[in-house]
Amino acid sequence: AQKVTQAQTEISVVEKEDVTLDCVYETRDTTYYLFWYKQPPSGELVFLIRRNSFDEQNEISGRYSWNFQKSTSSFNFTITASQVVDSAVYFCALRGSSNTGKLIFGQGTTLQVKP
Amino acid sequence: GAGVSQSPSNKVTEKGKDVELRCDPISGHTALYWYRQSLGQGLEFLIYFQGNSAPDKSGLPSDRFSAERTGGSVSTLTIQRTQQEDSAVYLCASSLSGMWDEQFFGPGTRLTVL
Repeated sequence: AQKVTQAQTEISVVEKEDVTLDCVYETRDTTYYLFWYKQPPSGELVFLIRRNSFDEQNEISGRYSWNFQKSTSSFNFTITASQVVDSAVYFCALRGSSNTGKLIFGQGTTLQVKP
Repeated sequence: GAGVSQSPSNKVTEKGKDVELRCDPISGHTALYWYRQSLGQGLEFLIYFQGNSAPDKSGLPSDRFSAERTGGSVSTLTIQRTQQEDSAVYLCASSLSGMWDEQFFGPGTRLTVL
């Protein structure tokens, strides 16, 4: 079975703090992709990053960075110097080679950044 | 527009009625997906179309749910004899090809069954 767990239901931080959103996944596939999506209050899911199972290099994009560790089946997302506009629900998702193209989503983490 | 579009944005219906939800994918995208987002169940996969292949219907919750994709483009999700538990936001997504490309989501249709 494939599963994604985001143990943090809600996180609240003050602007400029760093925050890490955790994602743990389960799959028996050797080939898979991991994704992060952002869902702002407007509701539309916005793609942030895609990572394949053979590339464990960490990635940085501006204030965003991702730490992929196969040894712990984790794909954590860090926002540096958070801003109010980062307030949203963040979803981690998995797509494995055995389950066609569908995404398996975690339950999401609601991030509130206070001014 | 360049993104995935869905209509209607909101739909209120009475229990037992049929509803149709529409999705226009990004032009040129061969893969199209339907998901459902509800408070209790999170984001759930419903159905996946890839080119001319038979759709993956493994996520449809009951035989009251069906979907079609005409001409490899527009898709319609139909729910027959709606129930209150069908109330949710129905999201459509498309990707350039089927397996590994990122999926781009539409704004969703919020369905309320009274």
